Amino acid sequence: GAGVSQSPSNKVTEKGKDVELRCDPISGHTALYWYRQSLGQGLEFLIYFQGNSAPDKSGLPSDRFSAERTGGSVSTLTIQRTQQEDSAVYLCASSLSSTSTNEQYFGPGTRLTVT
Amino acid sequence: QKEVEQDPGPLSVPEGAIVSLNCTYSNSAFQYFMWYRQYSRKGPELLMYTYSSGNKEDGRFTAQVDKSSKYISLFIRDSQPSDSATYLCAMSNAGKSTFGDGTTLTVKP
Repeated sequence: GAGVSQSPSNKVTEKGKDVELRCDPISGHTALYWYRQSLGQGLEFLIYFQGNSAPDKSGLPSDRFSAERTGGSVSTLTIQRTQQEDSAVYLCASSLSSTSTNEQYFGPGTRLTVT
Repeated sequence: QKEVEQDPGPLSVPEGAIVSLNCTYSNSAFQYFMWYRQYSRKGPELLMYTYSSGNKEDGRFTAQVDKSSKYISLFIRDSQPSDSATYLCAMSNAGKSTFGDGTTLTVKP
């Protein structure tokens, strides 16, 4: 079956512009996670959804970052007024449920470059 | 201090060697323990998961959890060049997972 997909795969944007990143989870997975990975670094948790609700938004770096999920499926991560420090790979993952074993399946990521 | 500590390496071994990758953690509430493999410019791939203390074996890979010491390990037997990647440990109670920073492994032919 299809895995987690993300689009775009690469995004170059100018400082100050808004960007929208998309994640399509595995069908039937109710939990969806967003992470950020800077070069040579581990995964930084941003936010997760159980269904359409976001029980934990604690990782969002600032109010320029927001995310939503509709229909319990597709999610978008929006970064407003991008800054150079936002440059990173943004990874999305999904799992059957956030209350289960939490085996997360990752997409290939969106590589964001802010110039 | 980070909740999860992982030796970043890099680690370089000859083909056929036994590899040991380790993580320590501080949050005793963690119940689930995972290992992910990440190839360059790819998303992490779930390799193994375990629940509570003990060992779990899958082919050449063995995951070990010692909750009393807050220490987990991944052993790779008969390592292959295709095992060259970054290995990330991850732990969770419920909801989000907390990841280590990853250990970069190179297996030389």
